[in-house]
Amino acid sequence: QKEVEQNSGPLSVPEGAIASLNCTYSDRGSQSFFWYRQYSGKSPELIMFIYSNGDKEDGRFTAQLNKASQYVSLLIRDSQPSDSATYLCAELVEGNKLVFGAGTILRVKS
Amino acid sequence: GAGVSQSPRYKVAKRGQDVALRCDPISGHVSLFWYQQALGQGPEFLTYFQNEAQLDKSGLPSDRFFAERPEGSVSTLKIQRTQQEDSAVYLCASSPGTGLGNEQFFGPGTRLTVL
Repeated sequence: QKEVEQNSGPLSVPEGAIASLNCTYSDRGSQSFFWYRQYSGKSPELIMFIYSNGDKEDGRFTAQLNKASQYVSLLIRDSQPSDSATYLCAELVEGNKLVFGAGTILRVKS
Repeated sequence: GAGVSQSPRYKVAKRGQDVALRCDPISGHVSLFWYQQALGQGPEFLTYFQNEAQLDKSGLPSDRFFAERPEGSVSTLKIQRTQQEDSAVYLCASSPGTGLGNEQFFGPGTRLTVL
């Protein structure tokens, strides 16, 4: 049973700070990971995907993957109140399906 | 409409009723997925279609759940004899192809409440 684990939070950060969201996974063979943002009552929307060890940056977002430690993270720089949402970590497994964690609630306080 | 659409957006059913949930994927998308999201949880995979072929139905919780995509476009998820534990948001997602680089785009979901 492949598992993706996330701290449910809530994670509270002040506006302008860096928010750090973390995720661990159980399957050493997993290759591809996704971060989705989900506002309350809305559908998940993709922020970033990563499949190589190291960092991947896109605007204020940086995804980090460490396959040896089976660890994925998402950093949000200059956090804004509009970033307040649930952040879902997911891995792509065989059959092209996504296995999601339970999500971390992020609250950015102005 | 450029995105994935789902209908109805909300459905209330009495226990034991049958329900049908519809998904219209993005035009031309080959892959279609159904997920179930319980309150406070991440989406859980139910089933996957590539065109009209149902390639994976390993996530369907019981034989009361049935999905089809007869013409490789619109898909219907049917739940027979609904139970209270079926209450959840049912999300449909589509992607242009398979594998890396094929982002799954999610629809708004259908919130099912079974009384």
